[in-house]
Amino acid sequence: GAVVSQHPSRVICKSGTSVKIECRSLDFQATTMFWYRQFPKQSLMLMATSNEGSKATYEQGVEKDKFLINHASLTLSTLTVTSAHPEDSSFYICSARHGPNEKLFFGSGTQLSVL
Amino acid sequence: EDKVVQSPLSLVVHEGDTVTLNCSYEVTNFRSLLWYKQEKKAPTFLFMLTSSGIEKKSGRLSSILDKKELFSILNITATQTGDSAVYLCAVIQGAQKLVFGQGTRLTINP
Repeated sequence: GAVVSQHPSRVICKSGTSVKIECRSLDFQATTMFWYRQFPKQSLMLMATSNEGSKATYEQGVEKDKFLINHASLTLSTLTVTSAHPEDSSFYICSARHGPNEKLFFGSGTQLSVL
Repeated sequence: EDKVVQSPLSLVVHEGDTVTLNCSYEVTNFRSLLWYKQEKKAPTFLFMLTSSGIEKKSGRLSSILDKKELFSILNITATQTGDSAVYLCAVIQGAQKLVFGQGTRLTINP
């Protein structure tokens, strides 16, 4: 099956620093990738849709200047949490669309802890 | 507002029991419904349902979609402790984005 790799799996940072999370489709080209956030015991909440070569589409309530998304190639999308604060601590997970049947595969997720 | 509602939110059963998880939805321009299993980290894909009334089956798991009544069910027969997980239902709607339900936390006791 398709593989989506996400790094890092866990990051701890100080408040005010920026953190970059990478999402790679390893064996397929993903024209669209999705970024989700999941708080403990809650479901996945879509943050933004990342399209290769164009600006990301953000969901309502998600600050685009705080969560910078870059999808520069068909196999890589990055999410940068700028000036992170403790309330940004969460589980971030990406997914990529594989093929025309719209099946999505997920990365392994990144647990962000902001001190 | 697009929404996906799963029930129950939590379920505890004994090994060997059969369980049915429910997912109802109200979304604009429905395209497909997907079921995922989430254990610790990344959700793993189970089923994608696009057509009504056609059961999809994989081992002890099966799922069916009713597009008239706007719901889907996920059945697990002869449950095992390894089936313990959060089961997520998600709908792809017209804008190609996935809307997730709250998930059902299933616990299988030996």
